[in-house]
Amino acid sequence: DQQVKQNSPSLSVQEGRISILNCDYTNSMFDYFLWYKKYPAEGPTFLISISSIKDKNEDGRFTVFLNKSAKHLSLHIVPSQPGDSAVYFCAASARHTGTASKLTFGTGTRLQVTL
Amino acid sequence: EAGVTQFPSHSVIEKGQTVTLRCDPISGHDNLYWYRRVMGKEIKFLLHFVKESKQDESGMPNNRFLAERTGGTYSTLKVQPAELEDSGVYFCASSPKGLTQYFGPGTRLLVL
Repeated sequence: DQQVKQNSPSLSVQEGRISILNCDYTNSMFDYFLWYKKYPAEGPTFLISISSIKDKNEDGRFTVFLNKSAKHLSLHIVPSQPGDSAVYFCAASARHTGTASKLTFGTGTRLQVTL
Repeated sequence: EAGVTQFPSHSVIEKGQTVTLRCDPISGHDNLYWYRRVMGKEIKFLLHFVKESKQDESGMPNNRFLAERTGGTYSTLKVQPAELEDSGVYFCASSPKGLTQYFGPGTRLLVL
């Protein structure tokens, strides 16, 4: 039973355009969400996070939107750059169970930014 | 500041052998986590240490896996005896207060 789902295994976007990566979750106990970026043969690198008390968080070219009623979040990258090509993982945790609780990951979306 | 380090980067062993993976967290991070990614699937939680204590080991697949964190510093994950299905990438992560976890590069384990 997968509690965090990334239904698009891959996405291709032209350089300079917007990349939108989507994530759905089923566990209503999740209250903190993160996006990680992963290059081949490396570990996941933290990108951006959002608490369930917010619906948007922005950091430079990266913005995460949270729709709690739909149990959906998305990561927007504007403008997309070739260096953004990587696998993006959505992750969630139930912080109210303890601030240091485990992360539950989606299966990842491979983003390719073309020239 | 040095990141999370893991050793070895790769390990190839035969079924039935023992392998020990090591993780050195970021200095000062009390929280240390082990995760595993099998066959390109999602990254799955194995266990969580707070200092030297196991806080949550609900993700450990079976008793062939033994994790320790000596003195609340580095951690080891031993697989004994290894089975074919244990192949995958083992990630370690650490966190100061648990909100954001910082991952190491992973150990790629192949059991033949």
